[in-house]
Amino acid sequence: AQSVSQHNHHVILSEAASLELGCNYSYGGTVNLFWYVQYPGQHLQLLLKYFSGDPLVKGIKGFEAEFIKSKFSFNLRKPSVQWSDTAEYFCAVNESRNAGNMLTFGGGTRLMVKP
Amino acid sequence: EAQVTQNPRYLITVTGKKLTVTCSQNMNHEYMSWYRQDPGLGLRQIYYSMNVEVTDKGDVPEGYKVSRKEKRNFPLILESPSPNQTSLYFCASISQWGHKNTEAFFGQGTRLTVV
Repeated sequence: AQSVSQHNHHVILSEAASLELGCNYSYGGTVNLFWYVQYPGQHLQLLLKYFSGDPLVKGIKGFEAEFIKSKFSFNLRKPSVQWSDTAEYFCAVNESRNAGNMLTFGGGTRLMVKP
Repeated sequence: EAQVTQNPRYLITVTGKKLTVTCSQNMNHEYMSWYRQDPGLGLRQIYYSMNVEVTDKGDVPEGYKVSRKEKRNFPLILESPSPNQTSLYFCASISQWGHKNTEAFFGQGTRLTVV
């Protein structure tokens, strides 16, 4: 079965610092990749997704992620974080060969940005 | 407006008392899913449904039931809740699975406490 690992459970940054959150998955075939954000007390919202094509994907709010197939990774980045980026971030993966198998989520990374 | 609506948002119940959490989507999506979110474990899939009258187990189905009698509704049923089912539950509705426009839309969440 697919597994998704997010190695950093908690990250604390100051405003304007650069961010990189790691995501690795286990499946070696064709995958669709997602990053979701969950602001305090809210539901999950899509930040960005990779389906095919350019492995560098740009999302909302200045976030981007790079798909590196050889490393089974889809790391999320932002050059300069803001206090409003404080949230929990989830990487999710779907094996496109099996339409019946829904998204598998990583354990989440809780980001706190200090003003 | 595209919406996934869950009810109730908060529920405190006692062990063994049957309960149902409702989920409804207005996007005519075929795919729907239930997840539970626990600290450090991310979102784990409980059950999913590929279409009306088609449901299947996810990663953590024990203690739960679902039904999909019509496309828009996908209720989650706990026949005999136990304290280990205390969690935050999310319903998701997924557009055009396996397609570049694939996106999961989440409900607002139901925080369940079983005492």
